[in-house]
Amino acid sequence: AQSVTQLGSHVSVSEGALVLLRCNYSSSVPPYLFWYVQYPNQGLQLLLKYTSAATLVKGINGFEAEFKKSETSFHLTKPSAHMSDAAEYFCAVSDENAGKSTFGDGTTLTVKP
Amino acid sequence: NAGVMQNPRHLVRRRGQEARLRCSPMKGHSHVYWYRQLPEEGLKFMVYLQKENIIDESGMPKERFSAEFPKEGPSILRIQQVVRGDSAAYFCASSRPQTEQYFGPGTRLTVT
Repeated sequence: AQSVTQLGSHVSVSEGALVLLRCNYSSSVPPYLFWYVQYPNQGLQLLLKYTSAATLVKGINGFEAEFKKSETSFHLTKPSAHMSDAAEYFCAVSDENAGKSTFGDGTTLTVKP
Repeated sequence: NAGVMQNPRHLVRRRGQEARLRCSPMKGHSHVYWYRQLPEEGLKFMVYLQKENIIDESGMPKERFSAEFPKEGPSILRIQQVVRGDSAAYFCASSRPQTEQYFGPGTRLTVT
């Protein structure tokens, strides 16, 4: 069975500050890991994915995430927050066959001017 | 290339009625997934289908819920005799084999 834990349901940062959204996973097989962003009343947009290649993954909108097997983590970062980054972020895990994904409960990012 | 399409975007049903949610996958995608998102919660997997086959329905409630992905046409998630607790956003995703999923905009179901 797979599971995802997102630490912190709400994160607030100032514009221009570092964004760090935490994700820890549990998987009995090599995982595929994903970060998605959801804006209000919209679907999920893929930010980035890890599929057993490079451990540092760069995504869209300046986001990146590092896969750390020893820590079973896949934290999402961005050096400088923009107001437009305010949204809900979901971490997800699936197995190598990339069937169903298991999602975390999400982290709401607020960006203060 | 159009993305995953879902309709309707909003659906209101009275208790006891049936709800039909449609999902058209991206062109070239043969795998469809349905997820449910309750208010203030993450997405919960419901069912995974390929054309004419249900691959994994471990997340589907045992009663009232069914899904299909026919050879022709969209995938359908059907909820019979809806109750207030069925009110949620239902998201469909599609993929090629062993690749990432792309999500549709969702159908927001309200049961009154």
